[in-house]
Amino acid sequence: DAGVIQSPRHEVTEMGQEVTLRCKPISGHNSLFWYRQTMMRGLELLIYFNNNVPIDDSGMPEDRFSAKMPNASFSTLKIQPSEPRDSAVYFCASSSRGGQDEQFFGPGTRLTVL
Amino acid sequence: RKEVEQDPGPFNVPEGATVAFNCTYSNSASQSFFWYRQDCRKEPKLLMSVYSSGNEDGRFTAQLNRASQYISLLIRDSKLSDSATYLCVAGQTGANNLFFGTGTRLTVIP
Repeated sequence: DAGVIQSPRHEVTEMGQEVTLRCKPISGHNSLFWYRQTMMRGLELLIYFNNNVPIDDSGMPEDRFSAKMPNASFSTLKIQPSEPRDSAVYFCASSSRGGQDEQFFGPGTRLTVL
Repeated sequence: RKEVEQDPGPFNVPEGATVAFNCTYSNSASQSFFWYRQDCRKEPKLLMSVYSSGNEDGRFTAQLNRASQYISLLIRDSKLSDSATYLCVAGQTGANNLFFGTGTRLTVIP
């Protein structure tokens, strides 16, 4: 079975550019999570969706960040405009029975903003 | 205060050694607990769930102490392939989310 799919795997962009990260959760999972991981701050939850509805976006650092989930099989995380401090690995994860259950992570997108 | 706290290490142990990690969680309402493993430049992957009665999977044993609000992971007969970062995770009823510790780095030395 396919796991969580993320694209792109690597992204290098210049400050000020728009960045869009994509995620396809595991089929049948009703919860989707976006995380950011850095050496300094570890794994931080940015936002999560339940049945395509954003439940908690309190982890989104600024208005420059936005996330959507137009259907059960696709989600995007957008950064506009990007800044060097946004450089991190962004993970998408999905869960079948809500947030307290095991989460399955995608391979991540390694973002570098120059 | 962080929801889940763990010693970042690093723990450097020889092959064959037994090593134990502990972590503490702050919310007594936490109901689900896990240990995840993360290899360098990879995503976190579930290692094992942690049950109230404790559970064992081969060389790995996980235990939960609700009274003291800590979770432990014991690795026996360490292998080189056990080298990774181990993330302690707690979930809370009503929060609909998991809280991840910052991880404990383990290096098993030949």
